[in-house]
Amino acid sequence: AQKITQTQPGMFVQEKEAVTLDCTYDTSDQSYGLFWYKQPSSGEMIFLIYQGSYDEQNATEGRYSLNFQKARKSANLVISASQLGDSAMYFCAMRVERHAGGTSYGKLTFGQGTILTVHP
Amino acid sequence: DAGVIQSPRHEVTEMGQEVTLRCKPISGHDYLFWYRQTMMRGLELLIYFNNNVPIDDSGMPEDRFSAKMPNASFSTLKIQPSEPRDSAVYFCASSHGGRYGYTFGSGTRLTVV
Repeated sequence: AQKITQTQPGMFVQEKEAVTLDCTYDTSDQSYGLFWYKQPSSGEMIFLIYQGSYDEQNATEGRYSLNFQKARKSANLVISASQLGDSAMYFCAMRVERHAGGTSYGKLTFGQGTILTVHP
Repeated sequence: DAGVIQSPRHEVTEMGQEVTLRCKPISGHDYLFWYRQTMMRGLELLIYFNNNVPIDDSGMPEDRFSAKMPNASFSTLKIQPSEPRDSAVYFCASSHGGRYGYTFGSGTRLTVV
């Protein structure tokens, strides 16, 4: 079974500074994907970034980057130049990937989330 | 692309009543997932479908819950009879796999009184 652990219930950061949200995972599978989602107070789930277990480079999407350390089974999200609009709940998730017909599939297992508050 | 559409956005019902939540996935997505979110348990996968066929329903709490996907553009999650502990936000999500994760709907906030 897969398990995702987010040890930081809440984090605070000053506007324009960088912040790292921690995520560790546990799986015996070799092929998996790691995701980060943002959930603002309005409630929707917004996909931020993806890292495949075989990707050689850390994923980046704009101000978001994923610090992937496979041996340590960690997939921390780094948000650079924080903005007030970044205040939200952030979820790390994992999917064990089984490839069929060129696509990968499987269910997402989520961590408990980290509430990020950006101060002006 | 209108995204994943869920209805209703909010539902308040009395204990014992039947509740039906609806979901229209993104066209072309062949996976559909139903999640439940509560403060105590976080995000839990209830069931997911591939090409309209249920693949894993191990997260369905009990027989009071049922889900169907009669075609590629529609799914329902039914609770009968509803109980106060079913109060939660229910999300539907769809995907075609790959690197882009799942697209979530806006959720249905269910309150059972």
